[in-house]
Amino acid sequence: QITLKESGPTLVKPTQTLTLTCTFSGFSLSTSGVGVGWIRQPPGKALEWLALIYWNDDKRYSPSLKSRLTITKDTSKNQVVLTMTNMDPVDTATYYCAHRRKGDPIDYWGQGTLVTVSS
Amino acid sequence: DIQMTQSPSTLSASVGDRVTITCRASQSISSWLAWYQQKPGKAPKLLIYKASSLESGVPSRFSGSGSGTEFTLTISSLQPDDFATYYCQQYNSYSGTFGGGTKVEIK
Repeated sequence: QITLKESGPTLVKPTQTLTLTCTFSGFSLSTSGVGVGWIRQPPGKALEWLALIYWNDDKRYSPSLKSRLTITKDTSKNQVVLTMTNMDPVDTATYYCAHRRKGDPIDYWGQGTLVTVSS
Repeated sequence: DIQMTQSPSTLSASVGDRVTITCRASQSISSWLAWYQQKPGKAPKLLIYKASSLESGVPSRFSGSGSGTEFTLTISSLQPDDFATYYCQQYNSYSGTFGGGTKVEIK
């Protein structure tokens, strides 16, 4: 059974760096084809794809946010970490991590974590 | 970067109606298109993948079609549980852009 859970701060100040951790079970990020991605959703707005990391450490980022994002994995801990620099109130959103395989869509999602950016 | 455009943004319909949602890609994505259903406060749920393949456990009233740049999601007979927001997503290996969403409301 695949599960994912996001953790991190619920409140960050403008200009700070956000660090979110996705802890998962039921699969390994050392298995060929497996990937974990991050998606966010501002309140009342649409989903936005942010970043993706594959089993082979191939990393992909949203072009519009690439300069602010870093995605890494710790296979031994079953964790994927997303950092986003220079946070702004417009970055207030629910952040989801999710599982996919290369060539397949997202099939499992975390429950999401709401991050508010405010001074 | 591939852009995904959904229409309409809101749709009012009644139980039993046939509903169609359109998704257009800014460039060809072959059939790398998925549809998700999202209810308030919940993560999205996969309905359709590879443009027209029904995810296991999803009712057969949901169907998808299209390839290249134009795609549709059809609900053949809207049920009370189907009132939700629907998103398309292109999912090539290098990114995963979502459409802007279509909220299906009770008429």
